[in-house]
Amino acid sequence: EVRLVESGGGVARPGGSLRLSCVGSDFTFEDFGMGWVRQGPGKGLEWISGINVNGGTMGYVDSVKGRFTISRDNSKKSLYLQMDSLRGEDTALYYCVKGRGRLRNDAFDLWGQGTMVIVSS
Amino acid sequence: DIRMTQSPSTLSASVGDRVTITCRASEDLRSWLAWYQHKPGKAPRLLIYKTSTLEIGVPSRFSGSGSGTEFTLTISSLQPDDCATYYCQQYSDYIGTFGQGTKVEIK
Repeated sequence: EVRLVESGGGVARPGGSLRLSCVGSDFTFEDFGMGWVRQGPGKGLEWISGINVNGGTMGYVDSVKGRFTISRDNSKKSLYLQMDSLRGEDTALYYCVKGRGRLRNDAFDLWGQGTMVIVSS
Repeated sequence: DIRMTQSPSTLSASVGDRVTITCRASEDLRSWLAWYQHKPGKAPRLLIYKTSTLEIGVPSRFSGSGSGTEFTLTISSLQPDDCATYYCQQYSDYIGTFGQGTKVEIK
């Protein structure tokens, strides 16, 4: 079955760190751009980061730039999001997404079920 | 960054009605615009990409149109299963942005 499975969410203190992981199954992972989209409580969808097929180019929304780092390991069919200097406003459900093409920003045709991140003291 | 403005924020219509959602962009997107359906507790689902191309498996009552900075999602005959929040997303820029969402309800 074609799918994305996220892990790594949980509770972190303000200023703390978490690392999210996402594993892709039953598709050629290295042929597609990937990204992360989040949804805060009672809010809409927010694109936060994307990476192209070989990890050579990345993009970040301003609110996470300098704090979050996206990366991928095509040999492990895995996508990562290192989240540092966490803030309360980072509390959200984080979705791993697969692009339709090779770029860091694209239409997303496959979504994981999401992993919850809660930032609280 | 490109800003996306969706309207209306909420829409209530009867089964069988024709429903239209509008998305406006702060810059020319050419055709790089997608639409998603999101139901509570589920992952969002891609409906339409490149303004008007229907994703495989999406019912034909969904259609998309537009160009430049103004785009629309139309449901030709609203069904109970269409109750959801709908989002537009631009992928013209190297940074993506979503609209604020439109919640569709059945009267």
